[in-house]
Amino acid sequence: VRLQESGPGLVKPSETLSLTCSVSGASISSFQWGWIRQSPGEGLELIGYMYYTGTTHYNPSLKSRITISMDTSKDQFSLKVTSVTAADTAVYYCARVGSNYSNYVLGYWGQGTLVTVSS
Amino acid sequence: DIQMTQSPSTLSASVGDRVTITCRASQSISKWLAWYQQKPGKGPKLLIYEASILEGGVPSRFSGSGSGTEFTLTISSLRPEDLATYYCQQYNDYFYTFGQGTKLEIK
Repeated sequence: VRLQESGPGLVKPSETLSLTCSVSGASISSFQWGWIRQSPGEGLELIGYMYYTGTTHYNPSLKSRITISMDTSKDQFSLKVTSVTAADTAVYYCARVGSNYSNYVLGYWGQGTLVTVSS
Repeated sequence: DIQMTQSPSTLSASVGDRVTITCRASQSISKWLAWYQQKPGKGPKLLIYEASILEGGVPSRFSGSGSGTEFTLTISSLRPEDLATYYCQQYNDYFYTFGQGTKLEIK
């Protein structure tokens, strides 16, 4: 199972950050799929995750600004974060919720993509 | 939110040493704890789930223990390739939360 993030590396303040995760080796119609971010020099923060049926679980502190969506025909899922500020500057990872042995852990991760919010 | 606190933040040890990292939860999470290893420039890798079960392919020198609010990750004999930052993560709640990480340095 491989995951690869893609999207702009630079976003202006107040604009919308958009990222896509392309999945190979698995169908996104199984398991849940999500996003985690890591601010420079900081730890890991869950953004949210989604099942293909539409069930989502979002970080309460980000919930008003984030949307996760899926395109099962392409085995891709996406993240949108609106009204970004410098505090949204981070490495963004996509991940599968589920390993080969547990349905609940973050079993597979992408390599991450740095998004900088700056004018 | 369930707060996860790791200690120490940084750990320096020699090859062959036994290393222990502690993770404490702000409330009971039963056995719903995972450990991840993150090497520089890479995404995290799952090591252990349900507090003590080794993910497939993970070397047996890694082990986990604990339940409720206190957990440990142990490396029985440190190897140079274990240089990394280690994170605990609870999944007792839909809102997964992580510890702040323990950076392991090799002396």
